Amino acid sequence: DSGVTQTPKHLITATGQRVTLRCSPRSGDLSVYWYQQSLDQGLQFLIQYYNGEERAKGNILERFSAQQFPDLHSELNLSSLELGDSALYFCASSVDFGRPMNTEAFFGQGTRLTVV
Amino acid sequence: GNSVTQMEGPVTLSEEAFLTINCTYTATGYPSLFWYVQYPGEGLQLLLKATKADDKGSNKGFEATYRKETTSFHLEKGSVQVSDSAVYFCALITGGYNKLIFGAGTRLAVHP
Repeated sequence: DSGVTQTPKHLITATGQRVTLRCSPRSGDLSVYWYQQSLDQGLQFLIQYYNGEERAKGNILERFSAQQFPDLHSELNLSSLELGDSALYFCASSVDFGRPMNTEAFFGQGTRLTVV
Repeated sequence: GNSVTQMEGPVTLSEEAFLTINCTYTATGYPSLFWYVQYPGEGLQLLLKATKADDKGSNKGFEATYRKETTSFHLEKGSVQVSDSAVYFCALITGGYNKLIFGAGTRLAVHP
């Protein structure tokens, strides 16, 4: 158990809908990262938050947004869903933004999103 | 830009065989290098890491050496087990942020 909790584990929804994925980082970790894993794109970095603020953005679509709350949990919002958004969405957390070279990221088990 | 290239899978081996999964990278600056493993139905777990040239990361019988001259970080294990069957990802971090840049992953299947 990595200590990172993601809910729900599975989500099936229709095209055009909006969903929210939730992530609780490990106790004490201030950074949260979101990744998308799909068959054709592999593991893609979406976005990073540190202590409530956005720190880095990757290949995140405009239809997607995220935030990190004062209790440090994070939510990834996906809207106007398309079939191609079907993927495994991972959250990861790490303790320290200031020491990138030695910081280990701990991953949750992921949320499998299926858009039908 | 920064990127990681891994050998394509799947890699199929018999138990106790020697394993090598090749990984090369392109990066600005001096990246840290990682191998993550994903067992079926689970998230990614850090397997080993190396933070500077000539460092060797090791864990659970797996090893990888950070080779700056060849920009490589190949994963090796002397004798694989059925329980090693998983997908292995090579990754790097560089610059001021901790975002991991992953390779495409290599699926390993070990048969008794």
